[in-house]
Amino acid sequence: RKEVEQDPGPFNVPEGATVAFNCTYSNSASQSFFWYRQDCRKEPKLLMSVYSSGNEDGRFTAQLNRASQYISLLIRDSKLSDSATYLCAVNMGRFPGNTPLVFGKGTRLSVIA
Amino acid sequence: EAGVAQSPRYKIIEKRQSVAFWCNPISGHATLYWYQQILGQGPKLLIQFQNNGVVDDSQLPKDRFSAERLKGVDSTLKIQPAKLEDSAVYLCASSPRGGSTDTQYFGPGTRLTVL
Repeated sequence: RKEVEQDPGPFNVPEGATVAFNCTYSNSASQSFFWYRQDCRKEPKLLMSVYSSGNEDGRFTAQLNRASQYISLLIRDSKLSDSATYLCAVNMGRFPGNTPLVFGKGTRLSVIA
Repeated sequence: EAGVAQSPRYKIIEKRQSVAFWCNPISGHATLYWYQQILGQGPKLLIQFQNNGVVDDSQLPKDRFSAERLKGVDSTLKIQPAKLEDSAVYLCASSPRGGSTDTQYFGPGTRLTVL
């Protein structure tokens, strides 16, 4: 099983649609989780950290399910500007102070007018 | 606040040549990471520094890759000799303390093409 897995998509959705991405992770001891957004030929930028209680930022909602070892990202009322690749990242440190992010391959979203 | 700076932005070399990349993290950030992102993949950690010490270089191909952060600020990543499969974007990231919940801020990357 890969450490972090995502459906690569692409997800092609019309403007205004709601779209959800899931990401599964293998290490049950993982402590922190993130969603990054990456535009074409740009660097990843943090979209949201994912907390145990779930968190919401405007049109974006992130959830964590520790029992099933997955995190999700929900985007409501999609905009054209949401078109990007969404990378799931899990902190899989093996010892104190070791904080590498392990990324999924990313899910590509295209929002269509 | 200035972000993570990297140079060069693009580099094209032939296989077996050497190449070096430079990174200047966000001022005051103790932790610096180098990631390799191959087309169609997510970034993969190569090395993590805490100040000028190496925390994790378990995924660095040490027969050809080396990295240093001598004064605990700037860092260089070197490949010698390069192989075709090293073609990728090399991303530098920094975080304030290296805590597991810290945000890692990425630089624009260096796009390497090995011919």
